[in-house]
Amino acid sequence: GQQLNQSPQSMFIQEGEDVSMNCTSSSIFNTWLWYKQDPGEGPVLLIALYKAGELTSNGRLTAQFGITRKDSFLNISASIPSDVGIYFCAAAGANNLFFGTGTRLTVIP
Amino acid sequence: SQTIHQWPATLVQPVGSPLSLECTVEGTSNPNLYWYRQAAGRGLQLLFYSVGIGQISSEVPQNLSASRPQDRQFILSSKKLLLSDSGFYLCAWSVLSGGDGYTFGSGTRLTVV
Repeated sequence: GQQLNQSPQSMFIQEGEDVSMNCTSSSIFNTWLWYKQDPGEGPVLLIALYKAGELTSNGRLTAQFGITRKDSFLNISASIPSDVGIYFCAAAGANNLFFGTGTRLTVIP
Repeated sequence: SQTIHQWPATLVQPVGSPLSLECTVEGTSNPNLYWYRQAAGRGLQLLFYSVGIGQISSEVPQNLSASRPQDRQFILSSKKLLLSDSGFYLCAWSVLSGGDGYTFGSGTRLTVV
């Protein structure tokens, strides 16, 4: 099956710092998405990207759809304690969605 | 608006007991439905998906089965649970193509003891 390589696997940062994570694939996709999973909850969609090169923001979050259509990154600026959770990238195939392995973010107050 | 309901939220079951987790979607018709399992602190493993009533595709051979008796109902079952079945189970739905992403339920934490 398709594999999305997501990195880093985990991050420990101080409150107020910026965060960057990325996702790469050997295949081309037409849609990239980023999800956040709070502890004990299901993942929730943060940002969806539909066009190569597209840069989209949602508050302190910014995500980009790579120009090659094989990668995407997510930035979080000025992190706060509630940013804690697992972030998943996802890329849409013809009939399903492939998920990255997740980045576990810990924010130290 | 569309909503997805998943229950129970937590479950503790003995080894060898049966399992039935239920997921229902409201506000949409003919959704694609999915069951995922997530081991502690790890990624999402697709277990089953369904594109219609009675249509089930299995991604991983295992001790579990799925059924879709109604358009917006998806059930995950086991006849005899194993310790390795413990985990966080997530149901999700999408429109046919999946290009708009999946909407997840709130999950069921299953502990097999």
